[in-house]
Amino acid sequence: GDKVKQSPSALSLQEGTNSALRCNFSIAATTVQWFLQNPRGSLINLFYLVPGTKENGRLKSAFDSKESYSTLHIRDAQLEDSGTYFCAAGGFASALTFGSGTKVIPCLP
Amino acid sequence: EAGVTQSPRYAVLQEGQAVSFWCDPISGHDTLYWYQQPRDQGPQLLVYFRDEAVIDNSQLPSDRFSAVRPKGTNSTLKIQSAKQGDTATYLCASSLLGGAETLYFGSGTRLTVL
Repeated sequence: GDKVKQSPSALSLQEGTNSALRCNFSIAATTVQWFLQNPRGSLINLFYLVPGTKENGRLKSAFDSKESYSTLHIRDAQLEDSGTYFCAAGGFASALTFGSGTKVIPCLP
Repeated sequence: EAGVTQSPRYAVLQEGQAVSFWCDPISGHDTLYWYQQPRDQGPQLLVYFRDEAVIDNSQLPSDRFSAVRPKGTNSTLKIQSAKQGDTATYLCASSLLGGAETLYFGSGTRLTVL
């Protein structure tokens, strides 16, 4: 089965609303990174996490290594938040294993 | 500071042809990764280096794929005899401290094998 499982696989993004993405791991992870792949295909690093929480503008992410999951929250969503979000987990100083992504699609009013 | 640079941006081949991808990591980054990303999937690790040494190439199809990083800076990934199943985006990434820091990706090379 998937070592890094993301949910949901897709979600509709309405401007001004909040969304939550989740990542569950079946591997021992000591670090987690979240990326946004924009429509041009570029992967942009959003967060590097050890167990704990980080916040950057309208984005907030948490990593619980004991329960083997991570979350990414988007507050007050904007159209520019569209794209595919990937989480990736790894041991300290080892290569990351990626999930299959959550595709965030703008929902026009 | 320049980011991770990859070339070419696109490649289109017939089955059986060879192709090479080139990557220039961020200056000073000791660790370099090659990932393969099929359409609508997450990146999958092919091989990674720390300086010039291969750390893990267990996912690299060794009969047709090869990767080198001879001076611990730039790297080349080569497919000797491409197959249609190799159609994907090939991503290079780099990081500091053997991977214990943030991973930075290049724009990728989009390969189509006809």
